Amino acid sequence: EAGVAQSPRYKIIEKRQSVAFWCNPISGHATLYWYQQILGQGPKLLIQFQNNGVVDDSQLPKDRFSAERLKGVDSTLKIQPAKLEDSAVYLCASSYYRAEEKLFFGSGTQLSVL
Amino acid sequence: AQKITQTQPGMFVQEKEAVTLDCTYDTSDPSYGLFWYKQPSSGEMIFLIYQGSYDQQNATEGRYSLNFQKARKSANLVISASQLGDSAMYFCAMRSYNQGGKLIFGQGTELSVKP
Repeated sequence: EAGVAQSPRYKIIEKRQSVAFWCNPISGHATLYWYQQILGQGPKLLIQFQNNGVVDDSQLPKDRFSAERLKGVDSTLKIQPAKLEDSAVYLCASSYYRAEEKLFFGSGTQLSVL
Repeated sequence: AQKITQTQPGMFVQEKEAVTLDCTYDTSDPSYGLFWYKQPSSGEMIFLIYQGSYDQQNATEGRYSLNFQKARKSANLVISASQLGDSAMYFCAMRSYNQGGKLIFGQGTELSVKP
């Protein structure tokens, strides 16, 4: 079974630029999550999708972050414009159902904002 | 409010010995799940073990066991017979099923296994 795929693996941008991350969840997983992990901290949930609908985006900074999951499969997370404090690892995860115990994670995208 | 607390930023253990990583949680939801994930330097989060709030027995998965003390709201991870490959960050996480079900994480504990 293929895992959760994310790209790019690394990204370096300057502040005020825009950036986009892509995630392809495990086939058949209805629920998709984006987490932000700042160095030395635990992951923080940014947004949770159930199929192509948003379940929770309470911690998504909506003035600069946006996410979509067209057709209930792939997802993109965008930051525009980026700030220095957005430097982090962005993790995508998926699971079969919202109440499913186990989330499967991708390897993440490491973003550095200079 | 939901909260996960890991008070040990770093731990050392000798190879082949057992180690306990602490985790306490707070939720008003009677229905919740507790998880432990391992994050090696490669960055991927690897699921280790799960404990449901209504489970009567402590969960075990190979060398991993979860010491669940509901009254104390603690869910400590015990790793038996530590191996060099166990060196990684370990995160405790919780899901409150009647409060949105999102998975929230603690700050993590960095475990180093010494040969």
